[in-house]
Amino acid sequence: KQEVTQIPAALSVPEGENLVLNCSFTDSAIYNLQWFRQDPGKGLTSLLLIQSSQREQTSGRLNASLDKSSGRSTLYIAASQPGDSATYLCAVNTNAGKSTFGDGTTLTVKP
Amino acid sequence: DGGITQSPKYLFRKEGQNVTLSCEQNLNHDAMYWYRQDPGQGLRLIYYSQIVNDFQKGDIAEGYSVSREKKESFPLTVTSAQKNPTAFYLCASTWDRNPKNIQYFGAGTRLSVL
Repeated sequence: KQEVTQIPAALSVPEGENLVLNCSFTDSAIYNLQWFRQDPGKGLTSLLLIQSSQREQTSGRLNASLDKSSGRSTLYIAASQPGDSATYLCAVNTNAGKSTFGDGTTLTVKP
Repeated sequence: DGGITQSPKYLFRKEGQNVTLSCEQNLNHDAMYWYRQDPGQGLRLIYYSQIVNDFQKGDIAEGYSVSREKKESFPLTVTSAQKNPTAFYLCASTWDRNPKNIQYFGAGTRLSVL
């Protein structure tokens, strides 16, 4: 059974700092991995989708990497801003379309 | 605007009562999903549907029921058999169950027990 772990559960940084969020998974037989953002009391917004054959994906100040063999992904946020404050979740997907979500990392960026 | 609409935003359930959460999408997506999210936790799959008049149980289907009579609609009923229904419920949709497709989420319904 796939298990997805996100560490740390919460992170607080000053504005402008670069930061890394971690996601690890136990079964490396994944099809792709997706990072989401969730604002309090809201739904999920997709940030980046990285296929199992890819090493990284970039969108603006966000960069996601994937090391399938070691069961790890990181989400790098450059020059963090208060507007980046949210919970970030990763989800790993099998080729059957089943998603397993981590518990998320709650990020607070202080002005 | 294309998207997924969940209603109501907040819902209260009395003991022994069944309640229904609405999920409507105008994205022309074939696949729809219901997830449950408990505080500080990730999402767990309740039910999913790949096509009209067909749906499958997810990981935590007990105490829930769904229907898919129209492509646009996938309502979730929380029955009295669900003993711990308090949670945040999220509906999602994709073009189909191909994992290449990004899931689009609604804004959620928060269910509480009176």
